[in-house]
Amino acid sequence: KAGVTQTPRYLIKTRGQQVTLSCSPISGHRSVSWYQQTPGQGLQFLFEYFSETQRNKGNFPGRFSGRQFSNSRSEMNVSTLELGDSALYLCASSLGQGTTGELFFGEGSRLTVL
Amino acid sequence: QQQVKQSPQSLIVQKGGISIINCAYENTAFDYFPWYQQFPGKGPALLIAIRPDVSEKKEGRFTISFNKSAKQFSLHIMDSQPGDSATYFCAATYNNNDMRFGAGTRLTVKP
Repeated sequence: KAGVTQTPRYLIKTRGQQVTLSCSPISGHRSVSWYQQTPGQGLQFLFEYFSETQRNKGNFPGRFSGRQFSNSRSEMNVSTLELGDSALYLCASSLGQGTTGELFFGEGSRLTVL
Repeated sequence: QQQVKQSPQSLIVQKGGISIINCAYENTAFDYFPWYQQFPGKGPALLIAIRPDVSEKKEGRFTISFNKSAKQFSLHIMDSQPGDSATYFCAATYNNNDMRFGAGTRLTVKP
């Protein structure tokens, strides 16, 4: 069974630009969550999607947005990039049927903002 | 956002020793407490998890001890090996929508 796939793995942007990251969950998983990982702040929850609907959102500015498609694939977008947005962005998938269980993480997209 | 406090930040253990990482949480609604292991360049991977109806769970060399009244839980790695060198994160959630992670502990096991 293929794992969670994130693309691109690495990217470099400049301040003010926008970026779109993609995540393909494990087949059969309907929930996709996004996390930002930085050395200073650790793993912070961005948002979670289930069946194309955002179920929960973390404490990030509106520049961070996401969506989920009917095939459960998800994208997140960051507009007007700032230097502080440099981070590893991790996507995690789960069955998302209501009960808690394992999150399966991808290897992340490492964003560098210059 | 931080509702889970993890310590220590870093830990150095000799091969064969016991590694102990502690976490404390605030939200009594949390009902699932996983530990994740992350190697450089990789995403976190579930190591072991516990629910609050049990006080201990053991899987191989890894044990979670859970103290509901104190709102604390810990990871014990017995017979630590150099291959265990990684960053460990505790986490807590009451649904998978918003899992709260500790700050992480960088474990180094010296041969």
